[in-house]
This record gives sequence, structure tokens and C-alpha cells, in this order.
Amino acid sequence: EAGVTQFPSHSVIEKGQTVTLRCDPISGHDNLYWYRRVMGKEIKFLLHFVKESKQDESGMPNNRFLAERTGGTYSTLKVQPAELEDSGVYFCASSPLGAGYTFGSGTRLTVV
Amino acid sequence: AQKVTQAQTEISVVEKEDVTLDCVYETRDTTYYLFWYKQPPSGELVFLIRRNSFDEQNEISGRYSWNFQKSTSSFNFTITASQVVDSAVYFCALKLSNYQLIWGAGTKLIIKP
Repeated sequence: EAGVTQFPSHSVIEKGQTVTLRCDPISGHDNLYWYRRVMGKEIKFLLHFVKESKQDESGMPNNRFLAERTGGTYSTLKVQPAELEDSGVYFCASSPLGAGYTFGSGTRLTVV
Repeated sequence: AQKVTQAQTEISVVEKEDVTLDCVYETRDTTYYLFWYKQPPSGELVFLIRRNSFDEQNEISGRYSWNFQKSTSSFNFTITASQVVDSAVYFCALKLSNYQLIWGAGTKLIIKP
């Protein structure tokens, strides 16, 4: 069974540019989560999809972040325009209902 | 407050020593789950264990063991006879009823040969 796949693994962009991160969950997992770890801080929740619906987006830092999960399969997280403080590692996880989480390898985003 | 504290920022031991990583949590929820994840240098988060709040039995898996004590709100992780491959950052996390994971800051474990 393929795991959770994230790409790109690394992205370096200039402040003000747009970046789109992608997450492919494990097939059949209805729940999809985005987390991020900015430098020196704890991993923080961003949002939770159940199928294509946003169940909880209370962790999204501001309206520069837009997450989608069209068709309830893969998800994208777009940052537009990127700021320096957005640098960090963005993790995606998926799970079946009521079970544990499987995380992807993360996308390391650097905004310069 | 809903919080996870991993007070040990970094631990360094010599191979074959036993090492315990501490995790203390706070939550208002009566039903919750606790997790440990390992993050090796390659960066991915590797699931180690999940424990629900009603199961206080200790768990052993090979060289790894976990001690869950609700009375002290702790979920400590012990590696017996540590190996260099155990070097990683270890995270403790608390799952709330709203499915969010609250993470500790992580403990960097260095195992020296």
C-alpha cells in the first residue's frame, strides 16, 4: 500500500510569490490533515478535511493560505503571497475514520 | 489548557544505554489519545504508538516501552539498549475530540557509538 505522498519535498521561493503544495493521501482515507512546523516551534494543526469538506480550518493562519481537496482525493495547500514567516515544514496526514494518522515526508518551504 | 510538554530539548547518550523521554500533557477532554512519533534525519514522521485514555496498561515493543500514568498526566517513552539508529527527534502528541493533534516541542535524541 502506498503511503502518504507529498510534493515537492523542497521548495524555495521569493517573498511575494505563490507556492502550491500537494498531498496524496492513502487511498480510501477520508480524513486528511495539514500541519506545519515553523522554525524552532511546535508542529501546529492547520486544517482537517473529511472527504472534500473542510471539517476544521481553525488552524489556518490567515487568508493567504488556501486549501482544497477536490473530489475527496488529493489536497493542495496554496500560499499566496508567501511571506518569510511561512517558511517551515508542511506535513500532511491521512487516516480512516477513527484510526491513527499516517504522515507524509513533508514539504520543506523556504521563503527568501 | 490543552498542551503537551516535552521538557527535554536534547538528550545525548552512549550506545547501549537506556534512555527515557518524558511527556506530560494537559487536557480538559475525558477521552483522548496519546501518540509518539519519530522523526529521523530524513524528515518523515514515523508512527510509534497510540494509546487511548482508558487504557493505562504499559506497552512494550521490542526495545521500546511506554509508561502511561493518568495520575501524573504523563506518557513516557523508554528505549532500552539504545542504538545509533535510534537517533532522531521524538514527538509526543495528544489527540483531542475534534481530531486535532497537539504536539510537544520534540526531544532530539543523539546516540553516540
